[in-house]
Amino acid sequence: GNSVTQMEGPVTLSEEAFLTINCTYTATGYPSLFWYVQYPGEGLQLLLKATKADDKGSNKGFEATYRKETTSFHLEKGSVQVSDSAVYFCALSDQSGANNLFFGTGTRLTVIP
Amino acid sequence: SQTIHQWPATLVQPVGSPLSLECTVEGTSNPNLYWYRQAAGRGLQLLFYSIGIDQISSEVPQNLSASRPQDRQFILSSKKLLLSDSGFYLCAWNRGGAGTDTQYFGPGTRLTVL
Repeated sequence: GNSVTQMEGPVTLSEEAFLTINCTYTATGYPSLFWYVQYPGEGLQLLLKATKADDKGSNKGFEATYRKETTSFHLEKGSVQVSDSAVYFCALSDQSGANNLFFGTGTRLTVIP
Repeated sequence: SQTIHQWPATLVQPVGSPLSLECTVEGTSNPNLYWYRQAAGRGLQLLFYSIGIDQISSEVPQNLSASRPQDRQFILSSKKLLLSDSGFYLCAWNRGGAGTDTQYFGPGTRLTVL
């Protein structure tokens, strides 16, 4: 079946620190992989995605590479800002007609000045 | 451009009362539609999805139901709320079809059942 395992939080970093949030997946077939971000009190926003092995998704300084050999899609950012404080969700699509997404449990990031 | 609306934004309801949450999408046709629930400090749980009018699939058995009376309208309902129904309810849409698996989320409805 399909599942996503995400690094447990919360994560607290100082501004300009390096960020890694680990995500591994189990899937049948060749899913697309996503990172979504949720700011306090809001819905989820797509942060980045990758659709096939070795693809790198990037946005707003965040990056993640689709690693089929390790079934991973780790999120990284070289220098975090206070405005990056949010909950980050890793997800995969089941490639069915309904295009369902399977989400990890989310990782709360707090960046302190 | 496409936009997705949810209302109400917040709701406080007593146990045993009915519920109706509404979601509408603008700027697209025949979208796939989804209802998720996010309990406090938890991840997202897919409740229902719909690939067309009156085509609803339930992922989790519970006292909630969903309906899609129009192409771009998705409603989440309950006849009698439970305390455990409290949470943040998110609606999402997707273009549907192969290669279009990105979902776009609405702003959410925060439901508190007392």
